[in-house]
Amino acid sequence: AQKVTQAQTEISVVEKEDVTLDCVYETRDTTYYLFWYKQPPSGELVFLIRRNSFDEQNEISGRYSWNFQKSTSSFNFTITASQVVDSAVYFCALRTSGTYKYIFGTGTRLKVLA
Amino acid sequence: DSGVTQTPKHLITATGQRVTLRCSPRSGDLSVYWYQQSLDQGLQFLIQYYNGEERAKGNILERFSAQQFPDLHSELNLSSLELGDSALYFCASSVGTGGTIVDTQYFGPGTRLTVL
Repeated sequence: AQKVTQAQTEISVVEKEDVTLDCVYETRDTTYYLFWYKQPPSGELVFLIRRNSFDEQNEISGRYSWNFQKSTSSFNFTITASQVVDSAVYFCALRTSGTYKYIFGTGTRLKVLA
Repeated sequence: DSGVTQTPKHLITATGQRVTLRCSPRSGDLSVYWYQQSLDQGLQFLIQYYNGEERAKGNILERFSAQQFPDLHSELNLSSLELGDSALYFCASSVGTGGTIVDTQYFGPGTRLTVL
């Protein structure tokens, strides 16, 4: 079965704190893709990153970083020195190479307090 | 502005009715994706079209259908509407099939459907 679990429903941090959003996935496919999306209070969806299953290199983009570990089936997202503008719901998703379907987690609501 | 347009922004209709949601992808993008976001079901992938052909199918109900036209715009048709179909429907587009590292998805602002 394909599944994405975001166990953290809501996280609150104070501005400038670092925060990590967890994502655990399940798939039997050997080739798959993992994604993170951001949905700010305004409602639009924003694509953040895509990672292929055969590329376990971590990625850093400014204050954002992603840690992909196949051994634990996790693809965690860290925001360094959080800002109020980071307040949003963050979704992790899995896309399998066989069916090309996207499976989303339930999202983590991040509140960054000034 | 992502460059993806969706119309209408809001739609209110009654149970049993049929509606059509429209999506225009970014210039040059060949793939269109449809997603549904509701309080009950969360965010769900419905369907993807690439250059006019169906590429991937998600949890799309039989009452729903979609197509991508030669000018690459797409329409999502929802029929025999039920209260549970009330949701935000997003469209996204990307250059390719979604299978390359550069295949960023750009999302439209969504169509909010309310079924009364």
